[in-house]
Amino acid sequence: DTEVTQTPKHLVMGMTNKKSLKCEQHMGHRAMYWYKQKAKKPPELMFVYSYEKLSINESVPSRFSPECPNSSLLNLHLHALQPEDSALYLCASSPYERESTGELFFGEGSRLTVL
Amino acid sequence: AQKVTQAQTEISVVEKEDVTLDCVYETRDTTYYLFWYKQPPSGELVFLIRRNSFDEQNEISGRYSWNFQKSTSSFNFTITASQVVDSAVYFCALSHYNAGNNRKLIWGLGTSLGVNP
Repeated sequence: DTEVTQTPKHLVMGMTNKKSLKCEQHMGHRAMYWYKQKAKKPPELMFVYSYEKLSINESVPSRFSPECPNSSLLNLHLHALQPEDSALYLCASSPYERESTGELFFGEGSRLTVL
Repeated sequence: AQKVTQAQTEISVVEKEDVTLDCVYETRDTTYYLFWYKQPPSGELVFLIRRNSFDEQNEISGRYSWNFQKSTSSFNFTITASQVVDSAVYFCALSHYNAGNNRKLIWGLGTSLGVNP
């Protein structure tokens, strides 16, 4: 079983809706990540939180708004999305503040469909 | 340019066959890391290995083995006696310094492995 839990597993929303994706880890990791993955593509880094502070934003549109309420939780707030935002959204955690340093622990993802 | 090439898009084998997944990389960095991740149909990416550029020793973990060769810029992954549970997409990734002097991961496009009973 994965130690990073994401909810919901599936989400369908209209372009005017507001929804949130949630991620939780209990491994005591200092860094948490959001990735977007389109079908048959590798994951693309969106945001990194380190010690509950946003450390990296990969020029993500403002319709995606991350939040880290505490060291175990990571949210991604969604508003006014476009159909091309439909994808698998993966959360990951790591003892390291850089994705390129060491092992990333991923959740199973939230599959988002924007109508 | 920093780049990771996984030339095999899809591979299909029969259970118990050995299979090698190729990964070729390009980098100007002298220090870098190479990774392999597995993504089963359930969706989560599972870390398999990280290799430092200074360590060219091959590694074996159960049925999995990795062959790192700096001379050919390759970091190939072999599964011995494949099983149906090995069916997944496998990603090779390279860490490098970007223009902002931050390390980032460059991912290959992945190889989809299907193991048939």
